Amino acid sequence: AQSVTQLGSHVSVSEGALVLLRCNYSSSVPPYLFWYVQYPNQGLQLLLKYTSAATLVKGINGFEAEFKKSETSFHLTKPSAHMSDAAEYFCAVSRSTGGGNKLTFGTGTQLKVEL
Amino acid sequence: GAGVSQTPSNKVTEKGKYVELRCDPISGHTALYWYRQSLGQGPEFLIYFQGTGAADDSGLPNDRFFAVRPEGSVSTLKIQRTERGDSAVYLCASSTLGAGDQDTQYFGPGTRLTVL
Repeated sequence: AQSVTQLGSHVSVSEGALVLLRCNYSSSVPPYLFWYVQYPNQGLQLLLKYTSAATLVKGINGFEAEFKKSETSFHLTKPSAHMSDAAEYFCAVSRSTGGGNKLTFGTGTQLKVEL
Repeated sequence: GAGVSQTPSNKVTEKGKYVELRCDPISGHTALYWYRQSLGQGPEFLIYFQGTGAADDSGLPNDRFFAVRPEGSVSTLKIQRTERGDSAVYLCASSTLGAGDQDTQYFGPGTRLTVL
């Protein structure tokens, strides 16, 4: 079975500081990996996805993630946090099913950005 | 263009009642997914439609849950004899293709179901 583990349910950073949100995956086959962001009372929005084309994936809003097979990790980073980045972030792994792709999500990391 | 929409945004019901939750996917998207997000958790897969048919319903927790997509567009998630444990946010997502690395799922804002 495929799964993802997000380390740290809450992360707090200062505005302008580096953001690092951790995600480790478990998969018996090369995975598709995703990071989604959820703002309060809104749906999930895709930040970026890894589909084996390149190990360093750039997403929206200045976020990027690096796929490291040796560490089974897909950590999300942003060089400089902004107040608007405060939200909940979910890592997910995809598994093919009946022609579709079923997402398995981690438990989420709440990011707080302080002045 | 319009994104995925879900109605109602909030639904409060009493234990034992029947509820229907509606999802309107992005126009032209053939794949439609339902997920359930309990408080403090990530979304969990419930069911996947490709066109009108349920291609994978392995995530439905029990036979009180049922979903339809009769014309391959709008989908309705139906819950019979609701229980307090059904309280959660129900999310719908749609995508253009069934599989492959282009299959980005676009999520709606969800329906918050509260069972008293």
